[in-house]
Amino acid sequence: AQSVTQPDIHITVSEGASLELRCNYSYGATPYLFWYVQSPGQGLQLLLKYFSGDTLVQGIKGFEAEFKRSQSSFNLRKPSVHWSDAAEYFCAVADPGGYQKVTFGIGTKLQVIP
Amino acid sequence: GAVVSQHPSWVICKSGTSVKIECRSLDFQATTMFWYRQFPKQSLMLMATSNEGSKATYEQGVEKDKFLINHASLTLSTLTVTSAHPEDSSFYICSARGSGGVYNEQFFGPGTRLTVL
Repeated sequence: AQSVTQPDIHITVSEGASLELRCNYSYGATPYLFWYVQSPGQGLQLLLKYFSGDTLVQGIKGFEAEFKRSQSSFNLRKPSVHWSDAAEYFCAVADPGGYQKVTFGIGTKLQVIP
Repeated sequence: GAVVSQHPSWVICKSGTSVKIECRSLDFQATTMFWYRQFPKQSLMLMATSNEGSKATYEQGVEKDKFLINHASLTLSTLTVTSAHPEDSSFYICSARGSGGVYNEQFFGPGTRLTVL
């Protein structure tokens, strides 16, 4: 069964500082990989996704993520955080076949301090 | 493109009543729709997967008689919480997936907050 681990439940960074959110997955092959952001009381917004090809993926809002097969990781990065980036971030994996059942990590809550 | 809506965005009901939540794909045909449940400060848990015109497939531990899912058309799926109780209070999110191309990923609705008194 596929699973996702986000080891950091809560992260606090200063505005303007760099950010890296960690994500590790367990899957028999290479799954589809996603990062979503959720603001309080809101649905999910897709930041970026990896299906295949270039392992460094660019997303919206200045985010990027790098797929590392050897480490089963898909960490999310941003070089300079803005106060509006404060939200909950979910890493997710999906089975490339079938109905693409998506499994989410527990989420990382990002707090940005001025 | 690829917009998914949910209605209502929030609902409060009395214990014992039934509540219906709609999920619509506004600009594409959703061959598959998914229903998730999110408890406070927790991740999304898949409840069920439905294909248009077929019975939904429920995840282990989800009561299919309590959470009725209908996917009668390619743009609409409904989740009915029957005889709701306070423990059913949660944030329910649907997602929709098309049949190929750019729609071969899940697009999420904004969610419905259910509070059962």
